[in-house]
Parts: sequence; structure tokens; C-alpha cells
Amino acid sequence: KQEVTQIPAALSVPEGENLVLNCSFTDSAIYNLQWFRQDPGKGLTSLLLIQSSQREQTSGRLNASLDKSSGRSTLYIAASQPGDSATYLCAGLSGKAGAQKLVFGQGTRLTINP
Amino acid sequence: NAGVMQNPRHLVRRRGQEARLRCSPMKGHSHVYWYRQLPEEGLKFMVYLQKENIIDESGMPKERFSAEFPKEGPSILRIQQVVRGDSAAYFCASSPRYPGHTNTEAFFGQGTRLTVV
Repeated sequence: KQEVTQIPAALSVPEGENLVLNCSFTDSAIYNLQWFRQDPGKGLTSLLLIQSSQREQTSGRLNASLDKSSGRSTLYIAASQPGDSATYLCAGLSGKAGAQKLVFGQGTRLTINP
Repeated sequence: NAGVMQNPRHLVRRRGQEARLRCSPMKGHSHVYWYRQLPEEGLKFMVYLQKENIIDESGMPKERFSAEFPKEGPSILRIQQVVRGDSAAYFCASSPRYPGHTNTEAFFGQGTRLTVV
């Protein structure tokens, strides 16, 4: 059974810093891994998707990596801004053929201080 | 192309009433997932549906909860005889293809926030 863990649970940094959010998963047989952003009281916005054959994906100031062998993914945010404040969720697509589903971590609540 | 649409956005029910949550997937998407997010917790899988079929309902409580995705119309998550513990945000996601494709991306709706009083 896939389990996804995110560390830290909460992070507060000053504006402008580069930061790394961590995600680990127990079953390396994942099809892909997605990073999402969730603002308070809102839905989920997909940030990046890394296919199982890929090692990283980049979008603007965001870079996500995937290491299936060690069961880890990281989300790197460069030059953080107050608008980056949100909860960041990682989710691995895994499961038996024909019934894969996203398994979520608990999220990292990020606060960027002006 | 509108995103995943969920309604209502907020729903208040008294204990013992029924709650019906609706989800219209993105155009062209035939796979729908429902997730529940309890306060201060992550998203927990409930059910995976394709048109007219339940593929995986391993996350659904055994009683009072049901889901459908008819040939026409939105997917419905139905909660009978609601209790206070059902208060949560319920999210729907859709994807366009067989989820085993590694580049399949799931898109989420804004959620329905159910409050049981």
C-alpha cells in the first residue's frame, strides 16, 4: 500500500530565499508524481507532473525532481515571493493496473514573509 | 474549456439529512475521482469511476456513501443520514485517459465544503 509523507509540515521563510519541499513514498512502482498548490478554502492547482521515466520538470521558478529508487521527490522554489504562500501537496499515481489513483501526502504549509 | 465544476461550493445539512454533491468533469474526460479532506488533513481517496462503472471504491465508507457517474450528466456523490463527522471538503478530479499512462494529469475542482450541523 502506497504511503506518501511530506516534510516539513510547515515552513516559514523570508521573501527571496530559495527553498526545498520534500516528499517521500513507500512504493517505487509509481506511474507519475504530481505537485499541487492549495490556497486556503480553495481547490488544488496542478503545478508540475513528473512521469516515472523522467527525473525532473521545470516551470518558471519551480523545479521538481523524482528519484524512484530512493522513493523521493523534491520541489524547489527559487526566489520565493509572498504570493507563493500556500499549502503544497505531492501525490503519487500508483496502484494495480486499471485502477490507479493518486495517493496524497499531508502537505507542507508554506509562508513567505515580506 | 471549463475546468472541473463542482456544485454546490458550500452545503449545510442537519444531522440525518441527505447530501448530494455534483461533479462535472472537464470536457472529454471520462475518468472521475472523489477525494475527502478533513480539517487539517490531507486528501483521502474515496472512489474512482468511469462512465457507468465504479472502478475502485476501496476508500468509501461501507455505509451511507454512494457514488455514480451516469452516461449523461455529472458524477454524484451521495451521503445519506449525514453525521457531524462527515463535515469536510469533498474534491472531485477528472482525467482524460486511462490512468496508467504516465503523462496522465488529474485536474481538480474547487471542492464542496459540507458542514453538518
